[in-house]
Amino acid sequence: DGGITQSPKYLFRKEGQNVTLSCEQNLNHDAMYWYRQDPGQGLRLIYYSQIVNDFQKGDIAEGYSVSREKKESFPLTVTSAQKNPTAFYLCASSIDRERGYTFGSGTRLTVV
Amino acid sequence: GENVEQHPSTLSVQEGDSAVIKCTYSDSASNYFPWYKQELGKGPQLIIDIRSNVGEKKDQRIAVTLNKTAKHFSLHITETQPEDSAVYFCAARAASKLTFGTGTRLQVTL
Repeated sequence: DGGITQSPKYLFRKEGQNVTLSCEQNLNHDAMYWYRQDPGQGLRLIYYSQIVNDFQKGDIAEGYSVSREKKESFPLTVTSAQKNPTAFYLCASSIDRERGYTFGSGTRLTVV
Repeated sequence: GENVEQHPSTLSVQEGDSAVIKCTYSDSASNYFPWYKQELGKGPQLIIDIRSNVGEKKDQRIAVTLNKTAKHFSLHITETQPEDSAVYFCAARAASKLTFGTGTRLQVTL
C-alpha cells in the first residue's frame, strides 16, 4: 500500500540536543511538507520541498532544518535553537502543487 | 500571505442533526479549498475538496459550498453519526502551499 510513514511515533529529547524526525513516502509525490501542530493553533508550515535538492522555509522555520536528497525522503531536524519544540509534527506530500495533501500519522516530540 | 479563519472552534450536535463549519480566507488568488478530518493521535485525512470554479460539491452526507465573492466556504455534514466526532480543518491554497484554519472540534452525542 502506498502512503507516508513517519517515525518514531513518540520521541523524547533532552534540552540542548538535536533530534531528527523521519518522513518517507512511496506515493511518487514530488512535493513534501512539514507542519507543526499545537493545541488551538491548527497546522503551521515549517518547511516544504517541491523537488529533490530544493526546499523553502515556511512560516515558522527558525530552529529547524531539512534535507531532500531523495524524492521519497524529507527528514526534519529539530535543533537546540528551537525554543519550544514540544509539539505534534506532521509530514505531508502532494503529487503536485494543484492537489491536496496526504498526511503521515505524526510524531509527538516531548522535550524533557 | 494567506490567512484562514475557522468557526466555531467547538461544536456539539445530537446524532442525526446537521453540523456546519465555516471558513473565510483573505487571498483572492486562492483556488483550491480542501477539508480534512483528524482523529485523535492521527494525521489529518482529506474528506472533500472544492476548486474555485465550482460553487458546491457533495459526497454522500458531506457537502462543501464556496462563495468566492465573499471569500468564504463551508462544510456541511448531514445525519451526523458518532464516528463523525473528530477535529475538522479547512484550508486554502494560494501559490504552492496550503494555509490551514485553526480547527473545529465536532462532538456528536447520542
